[in-house]
Amino acid sequence: GAGVSQSPSNKVTEKGKDVELRCDPISGHTALYWYRQRLGQGLEFLIYFQGNSAPDKSGLPSDRFSAERTGESVSTLTIQRTQQEDSAVYLCASSLALGNGYTFGSGTRLTVV
Amino acid sequence: GESVGLHLPTLSVQEGDNSIINCAYSNSASDYFIWYKQESGKGPQFIIDIRSNMDKRQGQRVTVLLNKTVKHLSLQIAATQPGDSAVYFCAEDRLAFGKGNQVVVIP
Repeated sequence: GAGVSQSPSNKVTEKGKDVELRCDPISGHTALYWYRQRLGQGLEFLIYFQGNSAPDKSGLPSDRFSAERTGESVSTLTIQRTQQEDSAVYLCASSLALGNGYTFGSGTRLTVV
Repeated sequence: GESVGLHLPTLSVQEGDNSIINCAYSNSASDYFIWYKQESGKGPQFIIDIRSNMDKRQGQRVTVLLNKTVKHLSLQIAATQPGDSAVYFCAEDRLAFGKGNQVVVIP
């Protein structure tokens, strides 16, 4: 597609439930990033995928968070046993490679009630 | 730890004036810096980037200056327009984003 697509755009879930967020990067972009942005805060790096290399998971806040990417296409971010502090906008970005400007999606707004 | 941060939380600027947003970084090994703009309710939008082997880079109405001696980065916006009202983030590649600097353009 023309841009980075994220779905759903909004998600309300009950505390303790699992959620899965999806990101479709720009075609041909080998690098894909997930960020979390809490209300009024900056972007918090979560995880980075580059081609077939092992992902950089250094930003994942706990073992409840995981992400997968199939080749150089779709990525899913999974949050298990959601907590209220997980409420945030989850942003995905892609780029041709590390060290190039990124294109962000519009994000998924997650609300845990 | 290493960090990237912004000095001023809010900048109010008259329409037509120039804006300057500043950012300090602490990792002297940083090689690549990016400025993003984020409008309310939207994802960040890439504005301009600069590599450490440069000290200035210009785009359309924007200029990024890099001072490696004092580890300082700035974004200059010429002839600020109402559409420039947003939060501006500086970043060291993918790893570090500050809270952002709100720019408010006064018509």
